Amino acid sequence: GESVGLHLPTLSVQEGDNSIINCAYSNSASDYFIWYKQESGKGPQFIIDIRSNMDKRQGQRVTVLLNKTVKHLSLQIAATQPGDSAVYFCADHSRAAGNKLTFGGGTRVLVKP
Amino acid sequence: DAGITQSPRHKVTETGTPVTLRCHQTENHRYMYWYRQDPGHGLRLIHYSYGVKDTDKGEVSDGYSVSRSKTEDFLLTLESATSSQTSVYFCAISGRTGSSYEQYFGPGTRLTVT
Repeated sequence: GESVGLHLPTLSVQEGDNSIINCAYSNSASDYFIWYKQESGKGPQFIIDIRSNMDKRQGQRVTVLLNKTVKHLSLQIAATQPGDSAVYFCADHSRAAGNKLTFGGGTRVLVKP
Repeated sequence: DAGITQSPRHKVTETGTPVTLRCHQTENHRYMYWYRQDPGHGLRLIHYSYGVKDTDKGEVSDGYSVSRSKTEDFLLTLESATSSQTSVYFCAISGRTGSSYEQYFGPGTRLTVT
């Protein structure tokens, strides 16, 4: 079936560098995408979202890029900090799914001091 | 955690016993969800609710039932717990404003079935 997935399971980043987390999706009808951050022992926390009629959205130190042509989503974290160490999930929505989201498997980001 | 609590936070139970997990929200959101999270599988939807007494199955609903008698409470019951149901369970809520489908998650319940 159609799903949302991630390219890299673990990403090691030097503190202060930029991080890029990638996500590939297969449902061409997806109209909304979210990135979540999950720290150890906690529930997923909303970071940023983007609608399918946009190709870029910026937040505080984070930018999400959407390339519908190749069905690719990325999360960029500027000046990565130790507090950014976590697992990051992408999720997507399509009208056929109603009010449900489909989650990818997650990428672990490790920030090295 | 956006006004969402889960209880208990940790539970150990024996195979074959019934278990009920509770999700409580103070946000008055219409939609509530139960997920399980396992290594290698990410978050998988068990059941969800789109209003009081209105529920539907997710992708991994076998062995689980839910009830929602009040807007603020969504209960997940394992009718007869099995070791394969050892997992971390997350509740989520969504207010569905405009075209945003953002969900907010609770802190999770770690369930071990021995």
